[in-house]
Amino acid sequence: SQQGEEDPQALSIQEGENATMNCSYKTSINNLQWYRQNSGRGLVHLILIRSNEREKHSGRLRVTLDTSKKSSSLLITASRAADTASYFCATDLGNQGGKLIFGQGTELSVKP
Amino acid sequence: DAGITQSPRHKVTETGTPVTLRCHQTENHRYMYWYRQDPGHGLRLIHYSYGVKDTDKGEVSDGYSVSRSKTEDFLLTLESATSSQTSVYFCAISDPVTGAETQYFGPGTRLLVL
Repeated sequence: SQQGEEDPQALSIQEGENATMNCSYKTSINNLQWYRQNSGRGLVHLILIRSNEREKHSGRLRVTLDTSKKSSSLLITASRAADTASYFCATDLGNQGGKLIFGQGTELSVKP
Repeated sequence: DAGITQSPRHKVTETGTPVTLRCHQTENHRYMYWYRQDPGHGLRLIHYSYGVKDTDKGEVSDGYSVSRSKTEDFLLTLESATSSQTSVYFCAISDPVTGAETQYFGPGTRLLVL
């Protein structure tokens, strides 16, 4: 089964609201990364959090990591219609040639 | 976007024909990856390369082969395409040795096997 599993699979919110997506994984990691994919496009890296970090911020993004629960969450604050996209978590197990294992993604829809 | 291009961007082919997809980068990154993306499966790694002529299998490598004769190009070949290989294929690059741990993705190739 997938190393990374995301929840929810789909999320629909109004502009201005916050969006929270969760990712769970099974084995120890070196780091966890979040990516965004607009429809029909390639993935774009958002943020990386290392296994010894608990929280990281980048603009309106806040990522947390709980290695004891093997889970991470991505919070997008004050969402905009332009945030509509699919969001994927990816785990780097370390010493694997930079290979990432992707979750199935959360499809976020932000309505104006 | 990082300097990654994929060609072709769209292809329709028939079952049993060989298909080669090309990924070209101008970032001089050491690692290159091929993924396929299908509904319900997210991205799955097909093959990856950690240097010229150095490649290894990923999660879903059956029916695919790769070659990397120079740093900038990574080719994915479907020796005899099947309908189950209809998918969107993404190439990605990274260079964790030099600190570029995140992956940069190309625009994708949509392949339809009839």
